[in-house]
Amino acid sequence: DSGVTQTPKHLITATGQRVTLRCSPRSGDLSVYWYQQSLDQGLQFLIHYYNGEERAKGNILERFSAQQFPDLHSELNLSSLELGDSALYFCASSVYSGGGDTQYFGPGTRLTVL
Amino acid sequence: ELKVEQNPLFLSMQEGKNYTIYCNYSTTSDRLYWYRQDPGKSLESLFVLLSNGAVKQEGRLMASLDTKARLSTLHITAAVHDLSATYFCAVDRDGGATNKLIFGTGTLLAVQP
Repeated sequence: DSGVTQTPKHLITATGQRVTLRCSPRSGDLSVYWYQQSLDQGLQFLIHYYNGEERAKGNILERFSAQQFPDLHSELNLSSLELGDSALYFCASSVYSGGGDTQYFGPGTRLTVL
Repeated sequence: ELKVEQNPLFLSMQEGKNYTIYCNYSTTSDRLYWYRQDPGKSLESLFVLLSNGAVKQEGRLMASLDTKARLSTLHITAAVHDLSATYFCAVDRDGGATNKLIFGTGTLLAVQP
């Protein structure tokens, strides 16, 4: 158990809908990262927040957005869902923001869009 | 654009044998990470390599980093069935402001009895 929690574990929804994925980092970690894992794209970085501030964006679609709250938990919002958004979404946390810091991954949320 | 390649993509090996997984990356970085993923599970951190020539060992796994060759290796010694999993290497690029990871394609390791 990494200490990172994610809810829900599974999510099944329809095209065009909107969902929110939630992540609570390990105690003391200030950074939260979001990654998407799919068979065709592999593991892809989406976005990074540090202490409430966005630090980097990766291959994140405009239909997706995220935020980190004052209590450091983070939410990833996915809207106008398409079949291709079906994937495993991981969040990871680390203490700091810079290079060399180990990222600890949560159990993931499996999103299925029908 | 930073690219990270692993080979082989699939490795079937017998218990007791040795083998190496290779991770090549396309631009300069001094930081290389290895993760393990069991089917349907999360990623577990194995090693963090932070300088040229770094070598780390844990049980039957040993990882090394050659930043000049932009190459990391994960060596498996006397494989056992419990090592069956997918292994990912990852590189972080931007350093200072962010530690976003760029992952390789993964190597699916199947250890046969």
